[in-house]
Amino acid sequence: QKEVEQNSGPLSVPEGAIASLNCTYSDRGSQSFFWYRQYSGKSPELIMFIYSNGDKEDGRFTAQLNKASQYVSLLIRDSQPSDSATYLCALSGGYQKVTFGIGTKLQVIP
Amino acid sequence: DTGVSQDPRHKITKRGQNVTFRCDPISEHNRLYWYRQTLGQGPEFLTYFQNEAQLEKSRLLSDRFSAERPKGSFSTLEIQRTEQGDSAMYLCASSFELDTQYFGPGTRLTVL
Repeated sequence: QKEVEQNSGPLSVPEGAIASLNCTYSDRGSQSFFWYRQYSGKSPELIMFIYSNGDKEDGRFTAQLNKASQYVSLLIRDSQPSDSATYLCALSGGYQKVTFGIGTKLQVIP
Repeated sequence: DTGVSQDPRHKITKRGQNVTFRCDPISEHNRLYWYRQTLGQGPEFLTYFQNEAQLEKSRLLSDRFSAERPKGSFSTLEIQRTEQGDSAMYLCASSFELDTQYFGPGTRLTVL
């Protein structure tokens, strides 16, 4: 079992819709969870981080964490074509080695 | 520019040659990380430094790979006797203590 599981997609949503990106993980000792956005040919860019169970909102982005279910998600409201990218779920166990999933490719259709 | 910088941005080399990449972290960050990313995959951890000390190395880092951070500021990653399988994007990230990591633009290596 991979440490971080993501559906590679592509996930296609119409412009203005909510995009829901999901991630599961295997290490219950994981403490910090991150969502990075990566445009083709570019390096990852931090979107959100979350440490505690529940929801964390930042503008159009909401990260959700459920440690009991070992599940973390990212919601993007009012999706825009500029949101089209690969979204990487990542986590660390506190000693700062960050483990990434393979990423979910999001396509926002105008 | 206060972000992480990497040099060169692109490197094309022939199999068997040595290559060296440089990373300059955000100035107040004491931790520096190297990752490798191939097409369709997420970044894979290679190694990290706290100040000048190399604290962890991945099994991915074969004997042909070496990394240094001599004065706790910039870091270099050297690959000796490159192989075609080394072709990838090499990413550097930095953080302050256990804070979030911020990535540089990456060095894309192509081994012919």
